[in-house]
Amino acid sequence: GAVVSQHPSWVICKSGTSVKIECRSLDFQATTMFWYRQFPKQSLMLMATSNEGSKATYEQGVEKDKFLINHASLTLSTLTVTSAHPEDSSFYICSIGTAQDHSNQPQHFGDGTRLSIL
Amino acid sequence: GQSLEQPSEVTAVEGAIVQINCTYQTSGFYGLSWYQQHDGGAPTFLSYNALDGLEETGRFSSFLSRSDSYGYLLLQELQMKDSASYFCAVRARGAAGNKLTFGGGTRVLVKP
Repeated sequence: GAVVSQHPSWVICKSGTSVKIECRSLDFQATTMFWYRQFPKQSLMLMATSNEGSKATYEQGVEKDKFLINHASLTLSTLTVTSAHPEDSSFYICSIGTAQDHSNQPQHFGDGTRLSIL
Repeated sequence: GQSLEQPSEVTAVEGAIVQINCTYQTSGFYGLSWYQQHDGGAPTFLSYNALDGLEETGRFSSFLSRSDSYGYLLLQELQMKDSASYFCAVRARGAAGNKLTFGGGTRVLVKP
């Protein structure tokens, strides 16, 4: 069964709208969640690491004020794309994985959210 | 930072064997993962190698050589449903614990 639930799966909205994407861990308590972005025919690019109860760690080049991450509980992380513009249109995917060193546990991915900004 | 290189596209016929190579440069290396992604879908985990050698899981096998910073995914007895993109990903130490960095992906097209 699914380990990660991501919602919504598809969003179409006008430029300037803020969009919230939810990522839920279904089977275990996730202290760490990851947010990726994938443009068509490209690879997954890590945007940020979401840590329960503390601030997210953003990758270089990702605007933290543009992509707000909240990880208030061990089962839920949210990504809010603020004032979205057409260039933010992409496939956003969350994943859950352990942050433990040398862990061989795979990351489990949500089904992704396809965001289209008009 | 991390960088990974893999071929962009491979075409093969049903029943054939395909090997997708992946070379990487990274610090704080823990292991190499492989993921499959069908068009419009999310990545699904295939394998993980932390130690040198071959890991076999059904028709798919993965190999790692840490000294060569090299790994490969072997797809055997190809089926039409194997048409997808395959990503190698390095698990390495990040600022907030370990994280995955993905290669550019290899698009595998299986023909009848």
